[in-house]
Amino acid sequence: DAGVIQSPRHEVTEMGQEVTLRCKPISGHNSLFWYRQTMMRGLELLIYFNNNVPIDDSGMPEDRFSAKMPNASFSTLKIQPSEPRDSAVYFCASSRDRPNTGELFFGEGSRLTVL
Amino acid sequence: QQQVKQSPQSLIVQKGGISIINCAYENTAFDYFPWYQQFPGKGPALLIAIRPDVSEKKEGRFTISFNKSAKQFSLHIMDSQPGDSATYFCAAEWSGSRLTFGEGTQLTVNP
Repeated sequence: DAGVIQSPRHEVTEMGQEVTLRCKPISGHNSLFWYRQTMMRGLELLIYFNNNVPIDDSGMPEDRFSAKMPNASFSTLKIQPSEPRDSAVYFCASSRDRPNTGELFFGEGSRLTVL
Repeated sequence: QQQVKQSPQSLIVQKGGISIINCAYENTAFDYFPWYQQFPGKGPALLIAIRPDVSEKKEGRFTISFNKSAKQFSLHIMDSQPGDSATYFCAAEWSGSRLTFGEGTQLTVNP
């Protein structure tokens, strides 16, 4: 069974460029989460989708960040324009809609470096 | 407050020793408390989890102790092994499977 698939695994870009991160959740999972991991702030929830609908985007840092989930098998996180402070590892995670399990399945992450 | 405080930030233990990581929370709306393990270059993975109406849960060498009145919970790793060296995150679940994570503890188990 394939896990959560993220691409690219590594991205190096220059300030001002657009960055698009991609995620394929586990088939059958109907909740999808984007997290950002940095040394300073740890793991932060950016946005949460349920059945392809954004439920909570209160963690999205600012208007430069946007996320979409056009169908159950694909989501994107876009940063435009990118800034050096956006450098982080971005994780996508998915789960079945079963509260009180505490279980999210994370991808291996996309390491973003903005120069 | 959607925060979970975790300590220590780093921990070094000898092989065979006990590793203890502590977490505290404020929000009584949290309704499930998982621990995640993360190896370098990988995403976090669920290790063990506990409901707030249970005071202890054990799975192999890993035990969660939960104190609801104090709003604290901890992870104990018995007989720690070098393969346990990883970063550990406590977390709290709220409203629709969302997780708030602690800051993480980098555990090193020396052989």
